[in-house]
Amino acid sequence: GDSVTQMEGPVTLSEEAFLTINCTYTATGYPSLFWYVQYPGEGLQLLLKATKADDKGSNKGFEATYRKETTSFHLEKGSVQVSDSAVYFCALRNQGGKLIFGQGTELSVKP
Amino acid sequence: DVKVTQSSRYLVKRTGEKVFLECVQDMDHENMFWYRQDPGLGLRLIYFSYDVKMKEKGDIPEGYSVSREKKERFSLILESASTNQTSMYLCASRDKGAADTQYFGPGTRLTVL
Repeated sequence: GDSVTQMEGPVTLSEEAFLTINCTYTATGYPSLFWYVQYPGEGLQLLLKATKADDKGSNKGFEATYRKETTSFHLEKGSVQVSDSAVYFCALRNQGGKLIFGQGTELSVKP
Repeated sequence: DVKVTQSSRYLVKRTGEKVFLECVQDMDHENMFWYRQDPGLGLRLIYFSYDVKMKEKGDIPEGYSVSREKKERFSLILESASTNQTSMYLCASRDKGAADTQYFGPGTRLTVL
């Protein structure tokens, strides 16, 4: 079945470091891909999305490119801040309209 | 802004109790969802609803039921709570014309003793 796999956390970085959180997927057809973020004590918020191959989603300095050839949607940010500390979820929406989430990756940014 | 609210942030219940988790959204969305979130497992869909009085099973419906009597409210019911239902429960809503974006509530952390 369709699935999403993310790199395990926690990821601990110093402020201004470069961030990559890996995400790969398995799905039939052409799913839409998403990154959601969950700040401490809050629900999930949509961070960015891409709906077709080679699309780049971006928001708040974060970027991810839909790579169909490698079935990946890695999240990157050039310079993280303490306020980026959160849990990040990669997700896909499959042909049936169902949203399928990865297991989440916790990011901790130290000053 | 879309707002999804959940009745409790933290809840402690005893094994065998009947538990109600309430979710309300204020944007007239047709679709509503209940997930549970567990470490290492991400979010798993319990039940969803496409309209009032309609419900569909998700991936892990066992031990749960739902009720949607009004469009804005979607309730999750644990008929007889068990310790393995200790988890974070997240409600979400989505407009049927915007399939890409679900709006989530803040979650209810349920502990069953």
